[in-house]
Amino acid sequence: QQPVQSPQAVILREGEDAVINCSSSKALYSVHWYRQKHGEAPVFLMILLKGGEQKGHEKISASFNEKKQQSSLYLTASQLSYSGTYFCGTRYNTDKLIFGTGTRLQVFP
Amino acid sequence: EPEVTQTPSHQVTQMGQEVILRCVPISNHLYFYWYRQILGQKVEFLVSFYNNEISEKSEIFDDQFSVERPDGSNFTLKIRSTKLEDSAMYFCASRAGLWTYEQYFGPGTRLTVT
Repeated sequence: QQPVQSPQAVILREGEDAVINCSSSKALYSVHWYRQKHGEAPVFLMILLKGGEQKGHEKISASFNEKKQQSSLYLTASQLSYSGTYFCGTRYNTDKLIFGTGTRLQVFP
Repeated sequence: EPEVTQTPSHQVTQMGQEVILRCVPISNHLYFYWYRQILGQKVEFLVSFYNNEISEKSEIFDDQFSVERPDGSNFTLKIRSTKLEDSAMYFCASRAGLWTYEQYFGPGTRLTVT
């Protein structure tokens, strides 16, 4: 039931783009994206509810493909502050979030 | 901006001892959670709590664990007899209400069991 994230790691230069995927084998109710920096708490980025909507937050946006049970997080024109580990948290028919194993993103100048 | 707070930030305890981790969820939030993260691994759900009752708990949340909301602001996680494998970062999270699904995490308590 654990969602699968890909890729496991991404290395970027400032200004480059990245896509992080989160896939589930079961029907999702919602997908929650978080960024976690080393030694800190996960910070909520955005939530995608089933319905195929796309959301945006400055240069970070996400989509949810209900047919494929997959969500993608788009990071455009990356900044140094984007570095961290990105987790997708998936919600099925209960209240708890089940997190993927994370994608480590490193942005270099 | 309102935020979830947790105390202590770091707790060191000996195996077999009881620990209580404390959380103050965002004011007016109704749903509360504990998650944990073993170093280098993903975040794992422990328990959810609503209306003074446990809504759901994971396999990890065995009889050694308990949660309580002793007053209108605090939310606690107690581990009765700690084991080495309980060493982890424990995060408290809260969400506002029935139709809002965003969960906001606190800064965490690092528990080290020796």
